[in-house]
Amino acid sequence: GQNIDQPTEMTATEGAIVQINCTYQTSGFNGLFWYQQHAGEAPTFLSYNVLDGLEEKGRFSSFLSRSKGYSYLLLKELQMKDSASYLCAARTTDSWGKFQFGAGTQVVVTP
Amino acid sequence: DVKVTQSSRYLVKRTGEKVFLECVQDMDHENMFWYRQDPGLGLRLIYFSYDVKMKEKGDIPEGYSVSREKKERFSLILESASTNQTSMYLCASSRTGVNEQFFGPGTRLTVL
Repeated sequence: GQNIDQPTEMTATEGAIVQINCTYQTSGFNGLFWYQQHAGEAPTFLSYNVLDGLEEKGRFSSFLSRSKGYSYLLLKELQMKDSASYLCAARTTDSWGKFQFGAGTQVVVTP
Repeated sequence: DVKVTQSSRYLVKRTGEKVFLECVQDMDHENMFWYRQDPGLGLRLIYFSYDVKMKEKGDIPEGYSVSREKKERFSLILESASTNQTSMYLCASSRTGVNEQFFGPGTRLTVL
């Protein structure tokens, strides 16, 4: 079966660091994606991991452990505009690029 | 700039009506997807298509059908809308291979 778990909501202050964890169980795994979605808008791609380890992209980093079925998204130097929902998605091994999405983590950045 | 567009941002329909949601992408992507997004449930795949005239059921296809007559256009059809189909509908496209999906702005459908 397919299951993606991530926390519902996290709150942090401007300038701080927040780590959003995601655990997954999929029948075939071919990469972990993170998307950002502001209220009323389309999800936009943030990062992708297929091998174990850390990928860094400016203030955002993503980590993957395939053996543990675990990923996290790290948001550093938080800004007010980072208030959004963050979606974890596991790509399956079929050739069409199907994703299984988590329910999303709402990050609230306070002044 | 890559683009996925959807025909309407907001739509209100009555129970029993036939509803068409249109999605167009300008990236020459092979794959197109229709999701619905509900609070606490995340994005759930309704149908996807990997080529013109080809379609595959996703996780929740009941009550929906799709059409892909041209590569750039993927339509979602609600044959007889019901109140439990009130939701945000998101279209996405991707190139075959390990690539991210690009999303449209979404259509918020309300069925009364």
